[in-house]
Amino acid sequence: QVTLKESGPVLVKPTETLTLTCTVSGFSLTNVRMSVSWIRQPPGKALEWLAHIFSNDEKSYSTSLKSRLTISKDTSKSQVVLTMTNMDPVDTATYYCARMDILSGKYSLWGQGTRVTVSS
Amino acid sequence: DIQMTQSPSSLSAYVGDRVTITCRASQSISSYLNWYQQKPGKAPKLLIYAASSLESGVPARFSGSGSGTDFTLTISSLQPEDFATYYCQQSYSTPLFTFGPGTKVDIK
Repeated sequence: QVTLKESGPVLVKPTETLTLTCTVSGFSLTNVRMSVSWIRQPPGKALEWLAHIFSNDEKSYSTSLKSRLTISKDTSKSQVVLTMTNMDPVDTATYYCARMDILSGKYSLWGQGTRVTVSS
Repeated sequence: DIQMTQSPSSLSAYVGDRVTITCRASQSISSYLNWYQQKPGKAPKLLIYAASSLESGVPARFSGSGSGTDFTLTISSLQPEDFATYYCQQSYSTPLFTFGPGTKVDIK
């Protein structure tokens, strides 16, 4: 079964660093036809693309959040990790990881999402 | 960065209605445009990719068209399970990807 599952803290304090993990199963992070993104959605608001990592370890980041984001992967653990520094209440959101099929550019598979609240 | 806009931001429709949602890119993206449906509390679901290709398992009442900067998602006969929010997403400017602001479809 092909799945992605996000995990991480439910609550973080302002100024802290958030670390989220996306564990994938049923496909390999070394597959050149696939790559993984992190996408978030504040309550009641739209989807926002955050970061992306390819099988060759090439990475890309949202222009507006680039200074705060780091994406990495551990192929042996089938995990993609996102860190976001200096968290603020406006970063409260559901964070999704999603698999992109490279040739089409479509997100064909999504995790269930993990809700993160930023509050003191 | 390529910016995506959608119109309308929301609409109300009856079951059985034909519904059309528009997505516009700030520059040409060829046909690198995908459509997703999201229901409350759920992850988005892919409906259409490459502007007009129907994802496997998606009902044929959904269709997509367009190229360049202007795209449409059409639901030919709205069903009760179609009430949701719809997002477009461009994959032209790889490795930077963008979603539209969404269109909420609710019951009239």
